[in-house]
Amino acid sequence: DAMVIQNPRYQVTQFGKPVTLSCSQTLNHNVMYWYQQKSSQAPKLLFHYYDKDFNNEADTPDNFQSRRPNTSFCFLDIRSPGLGDAAMYLCATSNGADTQYFGPGTRLTVL
Amino acid sequence: GQNIDQPTEMTATEGAIVQINCTYQTSGFNGLFWYQQHAGEAPTFLSYNVLDGLEEKGRFSSFLSRSKGYSYLLLKELQEKDSASYLCAVKDSNYQLIWGAGTKLIIKP
Repeated sequence: DAMVIQNPRYQVTQFGKPVTLSCSQTLNHNVMYWYQQKSSQAPKLLFHYYDKDFNNEADTPDNFQSRRPNTSFCFLDIRSPGLGDAAMYLCATSNGADTQYFGPGTRLTVL
Repeated sequence: GQNIDQPTEMTATEGAIVQINCTYQTSGFNGLFWYQQHAGEAPTFLSYNVLDGLEEKGRFSSFLSRSKGYSYLLLKELQEKDSASYLCAVKDSNYQLIWGAGTKLIIKP
C-alpha cells in the first residue's frame, strides 16, 4: 500500500542534543511538509518542499532545519532541542496543492 | 489575520447524530478539509469541499457555504470509535492550509 512512513515513532533526546526525524513516502508526491503539533493545538507548518524548492515558514525557528535528498525522503533536524520543542512532529505529502496525507507522526520527548 | 473557529469539545451519545461546525476567515479560499485525529495519532483525511453544498460519504457528510464562511461535519449513527478530534482546515489563496485547533468529540454509551 502506498503510504507515508515516519521513523522513529517515539524519540527521546536530551536538552541541547541534536536529533533527526525521518519521513519517507511511496506515494510519489512532489510536495512534502513538516508540521509540529502540541497537545490540543492545531498542526503548525514548519516548512515544506515543492519538489526540491524549500519553503520556510516565517516564524519557524532557526533551530529547525530540513533536508530532502530525493523525492521519497525528507528529514527534520533539530539542532539544539529545548523543552519547548517537545511535541508530535507530523510529516505529510501531497500532489501539488491536492489533499495532504499524513504519516503516523514522531512524538519527541526532551529531557 | 486568518482564523478558523470550531468548538473545543462536544459530547454525544452512541447511535446519535452530531454536527461539528467550523467558521473561517481566510485570505482567499481554495477548498475546505475535514480530518479525523485519534489521540496520539496523525490526522486522517475525511472530506474535501470546494463548492457549496453537501458531500456525503457513508456515515459522514460535510457541508460548505462559501458566502457565510461556514462548514459543518455531520456524523451519523455514532460509534465509540468515532471518539476523536475533528480538525477543519482551509486552503487559502496561496494554497496553504490554515488549521483549526480541532473539536474533541466524546462519545458516551
